[in-house]
Amino acid sequence: KNQVEQSPQSLIILEGKNCTLQCNYTVSPFSNLRWYKQDTGRGPVSLTIMTFSENTKSNGRYTATLDADTKQSSLHITASQLSDSASYICVVSAATSGTYKYIFGTGTRLKVLA
Amino acid sequence: EPEVTQTPSHQVTQMGQEVILRCVPISNHLYFYWYRQILGQKVEFLVSFYNNEISEKSEIFDDQFSVERPDGSNFTLKIRSTKLEDSAMYFCASNKRLDYRGTGELFFGEGSRLTVL
Repeated sequence: KNQVEQSPQSLIILEGKNCTLQCNYTVSPFSNLRWYKQDTGRGPVSLTIMTFSENTKSNGRYTATLDADTKQSSLHITASQLSDSASYICVVSAATSGTYKYIFGTGTRLKVLA
Repeated sequence: EPEVTQTPSHQVTQMGQEVILRCVPISNHLYFYWYRQILGQKVEFLVSFYNNEISEKSEIFDDQFSVERPDGSNFTLKIRSTKLEDSAMYFCASNKRLDYRGTGELFFGEGSRLTVL
């Protein structure tokens, strides 16, 4: 069964600190992995997209890594800001019959405190 | 910057009533999706739509749900007879194309919050 698991479920850090969020997946056939940021009550916004051959991708203070062998990804946030408070969702895409299915993780709720 | 727009932002309805949620995807996008998110839970796939027909649907998308693209711009989700458990945030999403790596950017709307009483 295609599944995406994220940890931790929630995280509280102080402004300026770094943090790393984890994503483990069992999705086949794997196509790509995305990280989204979702502010409360808003739609998810894409941060990064990585394919099988990509190990790391950065978007400003966000750096995502992918280990396709162990089926793990991480999202590292550097020098956190109050505006980083949100849910971070890992989404893995599976290629099926000429189309793509997006499997969503449960998300990590990040709270950045002043 | 082009965006996916959804209306209404919030709808309150009585159980058993019909509800239509509307979405205007980005104009040159070809693939359209509906997702829902029950409060505090993860985003769940409902249905995908391409070339004027459903390409895939989940177990959640039963006979009380339907989708339509009545003109060149709108993409609607209809719930025929709402139940209490249909209360959720419904997100519309679209992408332009699916390249061979499937990495087409998926854009989400801001969501329509449905409350069934």
